[in-house]
Amino acid sequence: EVQLLESGGGLVQPGESLRLSCAASGFTFRSSAMGWVRQAPGEGLEWISSISVGGDGTYYADSVKGRFTISRDNSKNILYLQMNSLRAEDTAAYYCAKQVRGWQFDYWGQGTLVTVSS
Amino acid sequence: QSALTQPRSVSGSPGQSVTISCTGTSSDVGTYNYVSWYQQYPGKAPKLMIYDVSKRPSGVPDRFSGSKSDNTASLTISGLQAEDEADYYCCSYAGSSVVFGGGTKLTVL
Repeated sequence: EVQLLESGGGLVQPGESLRLSCAASGFTFRSSAMGWVRQAPGEGLEWISSISVGGDGTYYADSVKGRFTISRDNSKNILYLQMNSLRAEDTAAYYCAKQVRGWQFDYWGQGTLVTVSS
Repeated sequence: QSALTQPRSVSGSPGQSVTISCTGTSSDVGTYNYVSWYQQYPGKAPKLMIYDVSKRPSGVPDRFSGSKSDNTASLTISGLQAEDEADYYCCSYAGSSVVFGGGTKLTVL
């Protein structure tokens, strides 16, 4: 059974940093591209980042480019999202998701909530 | 990247069919056959319902179907059931990025 378990969310002040983790199991993590999608309270889904199987290809939405960094540890089956210079508009539930061809997401984690507020 | 355009809400009675449209551009929906649809219940993670425009993952009822014409994709749910009441999001590959629709709330009357 595919499982994706996010952690690391919480309450931070504007300008601070946070690192999210996503522990993967039930599939061959090192062979799967992965992504992060967020959802602000009461809003829709927003893709923010994806990473290739080996980690050498990283991609970002304009809204987070230069502030967020996606990475992965294929030896530990963990996906990361380093979030710097956080803003109030980054407040959202953050989901990690397993990608299949065409950057479609076949499995999702339960999400971790990030709140940016002073 | 601009979000794909979906109706904010649709509704139908049990047993009826509803179609949710998803309009993009020639940079996303119109060019790539990587359109997917996700179902989301309140407080829950999204679930893949359709991928590659019209394919269903194992376990998704065949009441759910997808199609595409030019820059517009569609999700049709036939034989509506109460459990289909949820939010639905379309999604398209857009060349080294992904764009989602704004979401459609389906109400089963």
